[in-house]
Amino acid sequence: AQSVAQPEDQVNVAEGNPLTVKCTYSVSGNPYLFWYVQYPNRGLQFLLKYITGDNLVKGSYGFEAEFNKSQTSFHLKKPSALVSDSALYFCAVRDTASGGSYIPTFGRGTSLIVHP
Amino acid sequence: DAGVTQSPTHLIKTRGQQVTLRCSPKSGHDTVSWYQQALGQGPQFIFQYYEEEERQRGNFPDRFSGHQFPNYSSELNVNALLLGDSALYLCASSPVGASGVLNEQFFGPGTRLTVL
Repeated sequence: AQSVAQPEDQVNVAEGNPLTVKCTYSVSGNPYLFWYVQYPNRGLQFLLKYITGDNLVKGSYGFEAEFNKSQTSFHLKKPSALVSDSALYFCAVRDTASGGSYIPTFGRGTSLIVHP
Repeated sequence: DAGVTQSPTHLIKTRGQQVTLRCSPKSGHDTVSWYQQALGQGPQFIFQYYEEEERQRGNFPDRFSGHQFPNYSSELNVNALLLGDSALYLCASSPVGASGVLNEQFFGPGTRLTVL
């Protein structure tokens, strides 16, 4: 079975400071990992994904994420936060050992609030 | 490019009624997935359609059914509505290919369903 956890319901950061939104996962095989962002009254927007290769993945809007297999984590980071980054962030995982299943599991989401 | 579009944006129904939600995928996308997002939760996978057939299904009862048309647009039908069906229903499309979830998904703005 696959699962994903976002341990923080809310993250507060001052504009200009670095931000981290945490995600840990559990899979039987190797993970495919995704980060999405959701603005109020909008659908989810894709930020970045890890399939294989370099552990540091760069995505949209200056976001990046680091895949850490030993810690089963895929934390989202940005060097300098903007007020406009305030939104709901979702981590998702799909287990490659899922027998051809295309079903992703999403975390509960982390609300990022960037203060001016 | 209009992106993924969904209709209607809001819907209010009473228990026991039936509802149909509609989705048009992003141009060039052939795979459509449906998700249910309850308040304060991450999206939960309902099912995915590819080549007009249901390819994968999440843990949802048979009251939830769908269809994909030759132009790749899709419908989600829910029968015998329950109060617990109140949620934001998201449609997501994926680029051409067999691995709909390997590729990033493009989400529509969702349909907010309220069951009274």
